Amino acid sequence: NAGVTQTPKFQVLKTGQSMTLQCAQDMNHEYMSWYRQDPGMGLRLIHYSVGAGITDQGEVPNGYNVSRSTTEDFPLRLLSAAPSQTSVYFCASRTTAGPKGNEQFFGPGTRLTVL
Amino acid sequence: GENVEQHPSTLSVQEGDSAVIKCTYSDSASNYFPWYKQELGKGPQLIIDIRSNVGEKKDQRIAVTLNKTAKHFSLHITETQPEDSAVYFCAASIDFQKLVFGTGTRLLVSP
Repeated sequence: NAGVTQTPKFQVLKTGQSMTLQCAQDMNHEYMSWYRQDPGMGLRLIHYSVGAGITDQGEVPNGYNVSRSTTEDFPLRLLSAAPSQTSVYFCASRTTAGPKGNEQFFGPGTRLTVL
Repeated sequence: GENVEQHPSTLSVQEGDSAVIKCTYSDSASNYFPWYKQELGKGPQLIIDIRSNVGEKKDQRIAVTLNKTAKHFSLHITETQPEDSAVYFCAASIDFQKLVFGTGTRLLVSP
């Protein structure tokens, strides 16, 4: 299993540009999440999904959109990038089943800079 | 909402010493407390977790203790090794899904 994969690893945007951060998992996990990590602030939840077709907001959802059309994929969209969205973005997934039930597995992250 | 405070922000120890990182939480409804290790350039990785119906949990050199009355929980690493050097995050959650993280502790283990 590849686990949780994220693309791209690095991205530089100009203010106002749009882009989509990709996240995929091959563990058949029901739950997926997006977090952002800023210096000195730990990780903060942006959006999450409890299954295909179902999404909900986390702690810091403004400026981000998500959708979940398949179990495997959970893209994060920035419609009009702002410098305040400069951060490292992590995708995570989990299942409720088995010996690792409820453990969140994180991807390697996408470092985004908005100029 | 939940707020998690973590101390210290940096911790330097000699190889073989013990390290303790402490977290406090605000929401008494929180019932799941994981600890993550993050190495440079990588995503966080779960190292140990504890649920509110348990006071202590051990896994080899790592242990976590929970005091629900005081709303604090701690990570204990014994016999530290250089490969333990990383950033450690605590978190709290009411439902395993919406994790609220502390601000992290940078642990440096010197040979």
